[in-house]
Amino acid sequence: SQTIHQWPATLVQPVGSPLSLECTVEGTSNPNLYWYRQAAGRGLQLLFYSVGIGQISSEVPQNLSASRPQDRQFILSSKKLLLSDSGFYLCAWSIGQNQPQHFGDGTRLSIL
Amino acid sequence: DQQVKQNSPSLSVQEGRISILNCDYTNSMFDYFLWYKKYPAEGPTFLISISSIKDKNEDGRFTVFLNKSAKHLSLHIVPSQPGDSAVYFCAACRSARQLTFGSGTQLTVLP
Repeated sequence: SQTIHQWPATLVQPVGSPLSLECTVEGTSNPNLYWYRQAAGRGLQLLFYSVGIGQISSEVPQNLSASRPQDRQFILSSKKLLLSDSGFYLCAWSIGQNQPQHFGDGTRLSIL
Repeated sequence: DQQVKQNSPSLSVQEGRISILNCDYTNSMFDYFLWYKKYPAEGPTFLISISSIKDKNEDGRFTVFLNKSAKHLSLHIVPSQPGDSAVYFCAACRSARQLTFGSGTQLTVLP
């Protein structure tokens, strides 16, 4: 069966520091991969999605970036974090279009 | 512009009764709709989906209804159980890979 792993579960970072969140999927090949953010009291906002290695689409302009160095690995990064980057970050995968997306347990990011 | 809206941020229901969660959308190109359930500090869990060619899909205690003319989606949970207490998100897709999520409704099932 397929599983998705995200780490770390929680992270506290100072303003201006770099960020790297990692997500890996097991049990499937060539999944679509997604990064979402849920800000406090708000819904899920799609940040990035990828349909293959090295293919990244960005949904919102920001100081975050994403990379997919391997088929089942998706990384969310920032060179300098802002206070507004605080939130709950979720990675998800799906097998294709019009298919349910399955989420990891998320990373709670707090910026001080 | 919020294309998927959940206008009720919270809903309280007595155990054993029906919970009805509502969702409205504005984009008539959406053709696939999903409901997710989310507990605190966890990722959303897929519950049930419906294609735009249907108006109803049922899975155990969960039924999703789609009214395309009204651009309205609802999730019925019968009977409601305390373990159903969570935030419920509706989401929509338009033959693409991205989902657009609503802002969520906190369901509380009272024992």
